[in-house]
Order: sequence, then C-alpha cells, then structure tokens
Amino acid sequence: AQKVTQAQTEISVVEKEDVTLDCVYETRDTTYYLFWYKQPPSGELVFLIRRNSFDEQNEISGRYSWNFQKSTSSFNFTITASQVVDSAVYFCALSEARTRGGTSYGKLTFGQGTILTVHP
Amino acid sequence: ETGVTQSPTHLIKTRGQQVTLRCSSQSGHNTVSWYQQALGQGPQFIFQYYREEENGRGNFPPRFSGLQFPNYSSELNVNALELDDSALYLCASSPGVGSSYNSPLHFGNGTRLTVT
Repeated sequence: AQKVTQAQTEISVVEKEDVTLDCVYETRDTTYYLFWYKQPPSGELVFLIRRNSFDEQNEISGRYSWNFQKSTSSFNFTITASQVVDSAVYFCALSEARTRGGTSYGKLTFGQGTILTVHP
Repeated sequence: ETGVTQSPTHLIKTRGQQVTLRCSSQSGHNTVSWYQQALGQGPQFIFQYYREEENGRGNFPPRFSGLQFPNYSSELNVNALELDDSALYLCASSPGVGSSYNSPLHFGNGTRLTVT
C-alpha cells in the first residue's frame, strides 16, 4: 500500500534560518510523482514543487530546494532564509495512477503534515 | 481565471442527517477530486469525477456519493452523518484525468463540516 510519512510534527525556527522538512514514502509503483503542498490557515492547498520518479536531479527554485533520493525513498524539502509568511502546514504527497473500468485516474496520498512556525 | 470555489464555507449538522457540499472547478478543468481532511491529519482521497461519472474511489463507504454536472461542477453528498465525518472537505480540479496524476491539483478553500 502507498504510504507517506512526515516524521516532524512541528518545527519552529527564527526568521532567516534554513529549514528542512523530511518526507519518506512507500510505493510498489515504478512510475509516480511526488509533491509538496503548503496549507495556510485559509485552508486551500497551494502547490510548491513536483518531482517524477525518473528524475533524481535536485533543483533549486527561489528559496525552495528539494532532495529526492529514490534509493532511500525520501523527498525532503528545504526553505532557505525562512520568512514569517512561510508559517503554514506543509504536506508531502505521492501521486499514483490507477485504473478503473478502463479509465485511469490520479490519487494523492498525503503525509500527516508538518506545522512550520517562523518567528520574527 | 476563476479558481476552485466551494460552498458553503462552514456547516453544522446533527448525527444521522444528510449533507451536500458543492464545488465549482477552475475554468477549463473537467476533472474533480474530493478529499477529506480530519483535524491534524493529511487529506484523504474520497473519489474523482470525470465526464459526469465516478472514475476512482478511495476507502470510503457508499454513503459518500457524488455528482458531476455538464459544466464540470460537482457535489459531494454524505448520508447518515457520523461524528467522525467532521472534517474539512476539499475539492480539487485538474484539466484532465491524466493531469490529475502528473500535474498539481488546484484546490478550493474547503468546507468545514461539524457533526454534533
């Protein structure tokens, strides 16, 4: 079965510190996608980054970077120079394709979330 | 471009009642997925609608049902409400069934359902 584990329930940092959010996943699929979403108090999930299972190249996008290691099934996310506006709940999610009745669909499996608080 | 909108924002129901939640997908998006997020938990996949039919379902009982309309908007219906149904219900849309797998979903702000 698919499973996503975010070991850190809560993280508290001071503004301008770097912070890394850990994510470990389980899947039997050879093809899948991994996502990080941010959930501010307003409730909607905001997309941050995506990585597919074929590409282990780590990248940087602005203050965000990620470390994908297929060998350890980990997909960690780093915010550099954190800001107060980064305070939110962060979710790692695994997307797998499934088929029913000849039609495929995508299903996200989310981790429990990590509450990030950035203090001024 | 109009994003995903959900109504109502908040709802309080009594155990045993029925509830209908509504979702308007983002313009041009024909696939709608529903997720349930209990307090302190990650969202869980309920089901997905495409071409007005349910084409995928998570581990939820049949009393969770849905509809999709020709304009791609969707409803989530829950019958015989239980206390454990209290949660934030999130609707997400995507431009197509394939992109619901390999592309970011566009989420609404959710409906907070409280069952007493």
